[in-house]
Amino acid sequence: EIVMTQSPATLSVSPGERATLSCRASQSVSSNLAWYQQKPGQAPRLLIYGASTRATGIPARFSGSGSGTEFTLTISSLQSEDFAVYYCQQYNNWLFTFGPGTKVDIK
Amino acid sequence: QLQLQESGPGLVKPSETLSLTCTVSGGSISSSSYYWGWIRQPPGKGLEWIGSIYYSGSTYYNPSLKSRVTISVDTSKNQFSLKLSSVTAADTAVYYCARHVHTVVTDAFDIWGQGTMVTVSS
Repeated sequence: EIVMTQSPATLSVSPGERATLSCRASQSVSSNLAWYQQKPGQAPRLLIYGASTRATGIPARFSGSGSGTEFTLTISSLQSEDFAVYYCQQYNNWLFTFGPGTKVDIK
Repeated sequence: QLQLQESGPGLVKPSETLSLTCTVSGGSISSSSYYWGWIRQPPGKGLEWIGSIYYSGSTYYNPSLKSRVTISVDTSKNQFSLKLSSVTAADTAVYYCARHVHTVVTDAFDIWGQGTMVTVSS
């Protein structure tokens, strides 16, 4: 099973600042990686798939990069509605695993 | 606008079978390129993929749960269902159903239900 790790566990950022979240896979997943945002009491929301393609309706301030084992989600200028938990998810040969999440909170 | 809604008991006794149904509205469950999946999230913890099904009945399960999981589909009702047998307290979680986009460039869950909390307790 491919194990996903995320860092940091918590990221404190001021509104308007840039946030950089990292995700690492225990073995190469090529570009088979997605990012989700989850707010308290809500279902996750797909942000990015294919490591760098924004899902429908996702603002341009969200961008994804990376391939192989190292991936990054960047939020260029944090808005109040962006404070949430972010999960990465790999997809490889019909086994999908999520990272433990990074909580982005207000500094 | 496609919507998914989970339904089923919120309380299940240990050793019994958890049963949930996801009703798809605003679109057909028989659409190509889409599977339909179940994902769960224990309180305060991360997400775990349980399994996915195609409208034809083809299924894929998480190996860690495979021996206890059955996912089925009823295209006439635009629904798919989850059964998890021999439950324990470790199966207490919010259970989500989701549309699973399966293409050459992605496998991701792009539309989710609101989730339903299932507690395993006597």
